[in-house]
Amino acid sequence: DAKTTQPNSMESNEEEPVHLPCNHSTISGTDYIHWYRQLPSQGPEYVIHGLTSNVNNRMASLAIAEDRKSSTLILHRATLRDAAVYYCILRDVGETSGSRLTFGEGTQLTVNP
Amino acid sequence: NAGVMQNPRHLVRRRGQEARLRCSPVKGHSHVYWYRQLPEEGLKFMVYLQKENIIDESGMPKERFSAEFPKEGPSILRIQQVVRGDSAAYFCASSVRWGEEQFFGPGTRLTVL
Repeated sequence: DAKTTQPNSMESNEEEPVHLPCNHSTISGTDYIHWYRQLPSQGPEYVIHGLTSNVNNRMASLAIAEDRKSSTLILHRATLRDAAVYYCILRDVGETSGSRLTFGEGTQLTVNP
Repeated sequence: NAGVMQNPRHLVRRRGQEARLRCSPVKGHSHVYWYRQLPEEGLKFMVYLQKENIIDESGMPKERFSAEFPKEGPSILRIQQVVRGDSAAYFCASSVRWGEEQFFGPGTRLTVL
């Protein structure tokens, strides 16, 4: 499985934008970039995913580098409810292993009031 | 719109007993995944099932653990002769199709005394 690297922790202030980076230098052409987050004492929650183009949804935006070796999850206005561990995950849906999510350590996001 | 339901939410067992964890996927979802989160560790994939079939069990311990997803009823993760090291949060997820976004349940927290 291709590996991702994320900072262990980040801090933000409420109502400010947050940029969560992820490096995936060994990404293959068929790997999709997925982001999930896990709030305290809850199951993970899907945030967004993309392949090559930048993506936007109601929760966040995903900016993917042109060479696809890195990506950034953007929360446009952080709220206290966004405090969670954010996981950047590569999924090769062309392989059987693409059925499973491989969670790394993730980034613990703290949002200050 | 009911999401993924898991029960019980908390389960306490003594060493040597059996633990049965239930997961009802989102209505209409036929793909179910089980993950385990040991204390202070990340989420690890265990098994992927699609109605009555085990597709990928590469993350499941070879002994004492089994999973099923019958034609009718919830998916069951069964742990026989539990040991203290089985204490963890067990999360179930479901998806409508292979490779699609996974919806997670709230988890079952198993404590082995």
